[in-house]
Amino acid sequence: GEEVAQTPKHLVRGEGQKAKLYCAPIKGHSYVFWYQQVLKNEFKFLISFQNENVFDETGMPKERFSAKCLPNSPCSLEIQATKLEDSAVYFCASGTSTDTQYFGPGTRLTVL
Amino acid sequence: EDQVTQSPEALRLQEGESSSLNCSYTVSGLRGLFWYRQDPGKGPEFLFTLYSAGEEKEKERLKATLTKKESFLHITAPKPEDSATYLCAVHPHGGATNKLIFGTGTLLAVQP
Repeated sequence: GEEVAQTPKHLVRGEGQKAKLYCAPIKGHSYVFWYQQVLKNEFKFLISFQNENVFDETGMPKERFSAKCLPNSPCSLEIQATKLEDSAVYFCASGTSTDTQYFGPGTRLTVL
Repeated sequence: EDQVTQSPEALRLQEGESSSLNCSYTVSGLRGLFWYRQDPGKGPEFLFTLYSAGEEKEKERLKATLTKKESFLHITAPKPEDSATYLCAVHPHGGATNKLIFGTGTLLAVQP
């Protein structure tokens, strides 16, 4: 596709529940990135992939967050045992290199 | 520490009133500087990439410029549809990372 697709658009979870977000990168893009946008425009980098391999995971809270990009499947970001502070908009981006990143529409996660 | 600061936080213009948005950055080395536009409830939309001081890029009413310490996004004769949040991000040079570091954006409102 010509756009990064993210599902679902909205996700509501009770504290302690699991949340799983999906991202389909633009066809032909080998790099995938996940960012968390909290409060007002504060983007926090989480993790990036080159194809199915983790490229940079320095932003990932290791205890509860995990991510995968498997061949022929959408990439996923999973949060085990969600906390109130995980409420945010999660953006996926893709690119053909480590430079320009094209963003999807985001998934709004609300933890109650 | 790598840092991006955008000013002003908010800007209100009359239709046709030209102005500039500022993005100041502090990085150990710059691989690229990016401008994005974000509309409410949507993902950042890519506008420009700048790589070296002196570089300029134009698209319709927007022109981005880069120096060694800052970038400007000039908006000429803006229209109400230019209203959005404009985000600046840098890709630092060096290290095994391809994350973008974002500023907190400038919220632009263009009144008819």
